Amino acid sequence: QKEVEQNSGPLSVPEGAIASLNCTYSDQGSQSFFWYRQYSGKSPELIMFIYSNGDKEDGRFTAQLNKASQYVSLLIRDSQPSDSATYLCAAMGSSNTGKLIFGQGTTLQVKP
Amino acid sequence: DGGITQSPKYLFRKEGQNVTLSCEQNLNHDAMYWYRQDPGQGLRLIYYSQIVNDFQKGDIAEGYSVSREKKESFPLTVTSAQKNPTAFYLCASRPPGLAGEQYFGPGTRLTVT
Repeated sequence: QKEVEQNSGPLSVPEGAIASLNCTYSDQGSQSFFWYRQYSGKSPELIMFIYSNGDKEDGRFTAQLNKASQYVSLLIRDSQPSDSATYLCAAMGSSNTGKLIFGQGTTLQVKP
Repeated sequence: DGGITQSPKYLFRKEGQNVTLSCEQNLNHDAMYWYRQDPGQGLRLIYYSQIVNDFQKGDIAEGYSVSREKKESFPLTVTSAQKNPTAFYLCASRPPGLAGEQYFGPGTRLTVT
């Protein structure tokens, strides 16, 4: 069974700090990786995707991918209380179906 | 305004009744997906369709059915055979391209009693 694993948290950080969210995946053939933010009672919203080893930055967000370690992370700089949400990691496999495998999500709490 | 719409937002049904959830998109995306989310859980794939008139079972298709007669529409029917239908149902679509990102509709929260 292909899996994506996340620590469910909650991860608590003070306002202004860097939040680091981590994800591991089991399918070595996975090609692309996605981070979604989900506020309570709402649908997931795409934050970033990454498919090359290394870092990808977008504003306060940085996604990091290490295919050798099968590890994906999301860094949120200058965390704000509005960043408090559940963050879902997803991986797209090697088939051409576009199917995503989701982790269970990590709950982030940013305390003022 | 381009986007994905799902209706209704909340749906209540009695056990034993079939119910159909609507998903419409005007993004001109070929691929569409249905997921189910239970409290504290990630998303699990029910059905997906990569093109009109074709669809495939996902990981938890039992008790569900779909159709894809139009590019814009991908309705999901939750049948009475689904043992635990109460959940948050999410529809998504995917633009063409290698990245494979999916965009979600607002979801339908189904409660069966």
